[in-house]
Amino acid sequence: AQSVTQLGSHVSVSEGALVLLRCNYSSSVPPYLFWYVQYPNQGLQLLLKYTTGATLVKGINGFEAEFKKSETSFHLTKPSAHMSDAAEYFCAVSDNQGGKLIFGQGTELSVKP
Amino acid sequence: DAGVIQSPRHEVTEMGQEVTLRCKPISGHNSLFWYRQTMMRGLELLIYFNNNVPIDDSGMPEDRFSAKMPNASFSTLKIQPSEPRDSAVYFCASSLRGPCSGNTIYFGEGSWLTVV
Repeated sequence: AQSVTQLGSHVSVSEGALVLLRCNYSSSVPPYLFWYVQYPNQGLQLLLKYTTGATLVKGINGFEAEFKKSETSFHLTKPSAHMSDAAEYFCAVSDNQGGKLIFGQGTELSVKP
Repeated sequence: DAGVIQSPRHEVTEMGQEVTLRCKPISGHNSLFWYRQTMMRGLELLIYFNNNVPIDDSGMPEDRFSAKMPNASFSTLKIQPSEPRDSAVYFCASSLRGPCSGNTIYFGEGSWLTVV
């Protein structure tokens, strides 16, 4: 069975500071990994995904994530936080069967001026 | 391009009433998913379809919940009778399932259900 653990349900950073949101996964097969963002009262939007190939994946809005198989991690980073980055972020793993996603519990990112 | 379209966006209903949530997936997509989001349980997969056929409904909470996909462009999630604990945001999502199951799943804006 696959699972995702997001460390920290809430992260607060100052504007301009580094954003680091942690995600660890469990999978018995090579995983496909995703980060989604959810703004208040909206649906989920894909930030980036890892399927195969380069382990450093770049996404929208300046975010990137690195797949580290040895650490079973897929942490999300952004060098400099903007106020507009305040949202909830979800890490997810695909089950490689029907393509369904298993989500972590989410991390709420707050950005202080 | 039209995304995943859900209706209604908001619904308030009384306990015991039937609730029907509707979804139109992205044209050409052949996988459809229903998720439920609550503060306590996060995002839970309720059911998903491939080519209009239910593949995994293990996440459906109980017999009060049912989902159908009569054709490739429409799906419903029905709750009968509804209970206050069903209050949640229900998301429909779709994807193009091919040989690579890393295809992106696209989400609708959600249906915000309140059962009083």
